[in-house]
Amino acid sequence: KNQVEQSPQSLIILEGKNCTLQCNYTVSPFSNLRWYKQDTGRGPVSLTIMTFSENTKSNGRYTATLDADTKQSSLHITASQLSDSASYICVVSSNNRLAFGKGNQVVVIP
Amino acid sequence: DAGVIQSPRHEVTEMGQEVTLRCKPISGHNSLFWYRQTMMRGLELLIYFNNNVPIDDSGMPEDRFSAKMPNASFSTLKIQPSEPRDSAVYFCASSTTGGAMETQYFGPGTRLLVL
Repeated sequence: KNQVEQSPQSLIILEGKNCTLQCNYTVSPFSNLRWYKQDTGRGPVSLTIMTFSENTKSNGRYTATLDADTKQSSLHITASQLSDSASYICVVSSNNRLAFGKGNQVVVIP
Repeated sequence: DAGVIQSPRHEVTEMGQEVTLRCKPISGHNSLFWYRQTMMRGLELLIYFNNNVPIDDSGMPEDRFSAKMPNASFSTLKIQPSEPRDSAVYFCASSTTGGAMETQYFGPGTRLLVL
């Protein structure tokens, strides 16, 4: 079983709308959690990173939350734009090892 | 800075052939990572180097895969012999020292298709 589960696997949203992506993990001990954005045909780019003591972090219209007690994180996209169409990958670090989710595929339509 | 450079960007080869993927990390970065990405398995770490030394190769799938880093500005990932199940996108990434809090910068990837 994958140690990092993301949901939904894919979603389609209208331009201008908000959406929330979920990441649940079983990795232990926890070091940090990072969200990456991967545009089609490109490598992943880091959006946010959170440690155990942080429960929210923003990067422009992207806001990540972390609940280390329930081992859940979310990535909220506000006022989506066409350029937000991408795969969003949740990565959890533990003892200098990384566990990757399979990603949330987001498609923003006009 | 040009970022992480990978070549070739696309590779199509026949089963049994040798494949060599190349990576040039960001100048000044001491850690280099090789990843494989497929639809079924997502991103998987294959191996990473720190100061040109392989630190963790537990992700390398089998003996057909080998990686080298002869100097701080160049690394190769070789598959010999290649098989259709090796078809994937292979990413190289680099970071300053490889610490858990450090951002890894990914290259554009090499799309490999083994027929």
